[in-house]
Amino acid sequence: QVQLQESGPGLVKPSETLSLTCTVSGASINTYYWSWIRQPPGKGLEWIGYIFYSGSTNYNPSLRSRVTISEDTSQNQFSLRLRSVTAADTAMYYCARYSGTLPGFFDYWGQGTLVTVSS
Amino acid sequence: DIQMTQSPSSLSASVGDRVTITCRASQSISNYLNWYQQKPGKAPKLLIYAASSLQSDVPSRFSGSGSGTDFTLTITSLLPEDFAIYFCQQSYSTPTFGGGTKVVIK
Repeated sequence: QVQLQESGPGLVKPSETLSLTCTVSGASINTYYWSWIRQPPGKGLEWIGYIFYSGSTNYNPSLRSRVTISEDTSQNQFSLRLRSVTAADTAMYYCARYSGTLPGFFDYWGQGTLVTVSS
Repeated sequence: DIQMTQSPSSLSASVGDRVTITCRASQSISNYLNWYQQKPGKAPKLLIYAASSLQSDVPSRFSGSGSGTDFTLTITSLLPEDFAIYFCQQSYSTPTFGGGTKVVIK
């Protein structure tokens, strides 16, 4: 059974960098695509980006200038860094597996971690 | 970006009702459309992929249809555990989601 677990600080100060890690079990991150998705409180879902094929990445154009997704294959983990955060980045952050090849869908999700941006 | 528009944004229904939710894409996306269910405090769960294929372990009262720009999710005979928020998501290009439809108890 594939399982994902997010970890990282729940509180980040404005202008600082949000950093989260997703630990994957039951599957190797060397296969499939591995994604970050966020959901502001009471709002809809926004895809942030994904990493695939040993380090290739694709990001949401609206966040591309501030986002980096990386991987640690030895730990079967991938990570998110979002720079220069503001209150608008307050959200539940999910990691998820993306099937990659068409039809692309998110079939396994972590439970999510709430990140609040506040001083 | 391909914009996904869901309607209605909210609906009230009773147990046993048939419910239909619509998702419209801003351009043709073939059948690259998925549906998710989200319950309070939980991550979304994949219900339908490729417009009409039922994900494993999802009950058959859920079905999807459509192609091109217009898609529907139908729940026949609503059960208490089906009250949730439903999202569509396109995978024709970089993923985008609809705004969600909240199904509440009448």
